[in-house]
Amino acid sequence: KNQVEQSPQSLIILEGKNCTLQCNYTVSPFSNLRWYKQDTGRGPVSLTIMTFSENTKSNGRYTATLDADTKQSSLHITASQLSDSASYICVVSPMFSGGYNKLIFGAGTRLAVHP
Amino acid sequence: DAGVIQSPRHEVTEMGQEVTLRCKPISGHNSLFWYRQTMMRGLELLIYFNNNVPIDDSGMPEDRFSAKMPNASFSTLKIQPSEPRDSAVYFCASSLGGGSREGYTFGSGTRLTVV
Repeated sequence: KNQVEQSPQSLIILEGKNCTLQCNYTVSPFSNLRWYKQDTGRGPVSLTIMTFSENTKSNGRYTATLDADTKQSSLHITASQLSDSASYICVVSPMFSGGYNKLIFGAGTRLAVHP
Repeated sequence: DAGVIQSPRHEVTEMGQEVTLRCKPISGHNSLFWYRQTMMRGLELLIYFNNNVPIDDSGMPEDRFSAKMPNASFSTLKIQPSEPRDSAVYFCASSLGGGSREGYTFGSGTRLTVV
């Protein structure tokens, strides 16, 4: 079973609409949870990072939430734009991972924003 | 800063040939990671270097894969001999310290196709 599961696998929305992507994880204890955006043909780019004690973090139109009790995180995108079309990856770092910040990646949600 | 620079961007090679992927991390970053991304398995850590020393190579698939970091500004990932199942996008990432809260910076990747 994957330690980081994301849903939906893919999503299509119209430009200007809002959407929410989900991430459930079993990694425990964990150090931090990150959301990355990966454009086609590019490497992942960090959007937000939250420690286990934080429950929300915003970056422009992107807002991530974290519920450490239920081990769930969400990424909310407001007023979507065509440039938001990308894969969004949830990444969790275990608290104890051999002395470095090992990342455990979800499979990602592929978002397509249509005009 | 030009970010993490990888070369080549695309590589097509015949089965059995040697392939060398190159990475220049961000100046001043002392942690370097090699990842492999496929549709089936997502992003997987291959190897982690700290201060040019390999710390965790447990993700290296088999003896056909080797990685080196001769100095702080250059790393290579070599596959010899290459096989069709090695076809994937290979990413290099760097960070300031293995436990960086700021996250990693990924390169744009090398898309490898082995025919």
